Amino acid sequence: DAGVTQSPTHLIKTRGQQVTLRCSPKSGHDTVSWYQQALGQGPQFIFQYYEEEERQRGNFPDRFSGHQFPNYSSELNVNALLLGDSALYLCASSPTDLASTDTQYFGPGTRLTVL
Amino acid sequence: GIQVEQSPPDLILQEGANSTLRCNFSDSVNNLQWFHQNPWGQLINLFYIPSGTKQNGRLSATTVATERYSLLYISSSQTTDSGVYFCAVGYILTGGGNKLTFGTGTQLKVEL
Repeated sequence: DAGVTQSPTHLIKTRGQQVTLRCSPKSGHDTVSWYQQALGQGPQFIFQYYEEEERQRGNFPDRFSGHQFPNYSSELNVNALLLGDSALYLCASSPTDLASTDTQYFGPGTRLTVL
Repeated sequence: GIQVEQSPPDLILQEGANSTLRCNFSDSVNNLQWFHQNPWGQLINLFYIPSGTKQNGRLSATTVATERYSLLYISSSQTTDSGVYFCAVGYILTGGGNKLTFGTGTQLKVEL
């Protein structure tokens, strides 16, 4: 049973560029959340996708956008990159059945460096 | 929003020692998870424990939801236990969904 997968593992971009990160959820999960983890801090919630729609959003600007596909995989897009966007980007998946534990499982992350 | 505080921020142990990590949160939650983040950044699920006590090998956790805290116990620590331990809490949001709010973590180093 494959866990949450993310690609690429590392990425280097320059200021002003755009980036797309990808995530495939754990088998049986249809809800995907994205988190940003700056160096030395805990992960911060960006947004959550369910049924191909953004269901919840954290305190992030509109430069951060996403998409969920019919197979439940997801993309995170960041436009007009800033130096402060350098971080580890984590994807988490969970089942929607709230009768279950609704535990979130995290992928290995994509480390983005903006120069 | 909900606040999550973890203590201690840093901890150095000799191999074989025991430790207790604490997580305080400011509001009622229906999801509390403990994670271990390894040096490569992978968040490894340790416990889903919104209330009660659970044990898994040398690790155990207790959450007292009415008093808004959770404890993670590590017994007979090993060098492989090194890394950052995060507590994360969540609650069901209006419109559905369940986002996690993370604490600032406890950096653990286990030495020989």
